[in-house]
Amino acid sequence: DTGVSQNPRHKITKRGQNVTFRCDPISEHNRLYWYRQTLGQGPEFLTYFQNEAQLEKSRLLSDRFSAERPKGSFSTLEIQRTEQGDSAMYLCASSRGGHTDTQYFGPGTRLTVL
Amino acid sequence: SQQGEEDPQALSIQEGENATMNCSYKTSINNLQWYRQNSGRGLVHLILIRSNEREKHSGRLRVTLDTSKKSSSLLITASRAADTASYFCARNSGNTPLVFGKGTRLSVIA
Repeated sequence: DTGVSQNPRHKITKRGQNVTFRCDPISEHNRLYWYRQTLGQGPEFLTYFQNEAQLEKSRLLSDRFSAERPKGSFSTLEIQRTEQGDSAMYLCASSRGGHTDTQYFGPGTRLTVL
Repeated sequence: SQQGEEDPQALSIQEGENATMNCSYKTSINNLQWYRQNSGRGLVHLILIRSNEREKHSGRLRVTLDTSKKSSSLLITASRAADTASYFCARNSGNTPLVFGKGTRLSVIA
């Protein structure tokens, strides 16, 4: 399967704990995006990478959130000191080139913060 | 903020009928994309229509774009139960990431 993969698919954690999600994009794609989606809403942009460089961060990405893409391959999204409001689906997408290119999404990681 | 808005929010039809979903936006676009999302899953890209295009087809899907009215529509013909999903439009302005609407929840009843 050469699509975008995300792990874990589900994560349940207690408030205050740290969590880390992983995204493996399509191998030849330079761009990697993270989105957050809450129930009944569309995905909201969080941040994106061009290869290993993080080029833009949304104001939704508080100081508790950090993302990396070492070596321009897979990416991790870490949330520190989780809050109940962080409960959402976290989606990763990759594309070959710029913002105008089609983005291919992974299945998402559903986070539940108790 | 989400600047693409789909209409209706929810749509329920019988199998075999056509389903039409609309999307409006507020600013200029480079292209507009439609995605499908099955319950609790990731998004699947359906069609990309550029700002200089007026209509595109893909199988049972037809997308139109009216840049003067800042609106787009997605038509699914001869719907099937498997078409049950949420459908999102996403606006692309070239130098900014995709902006998604809230989606239309389509239910196709067999």
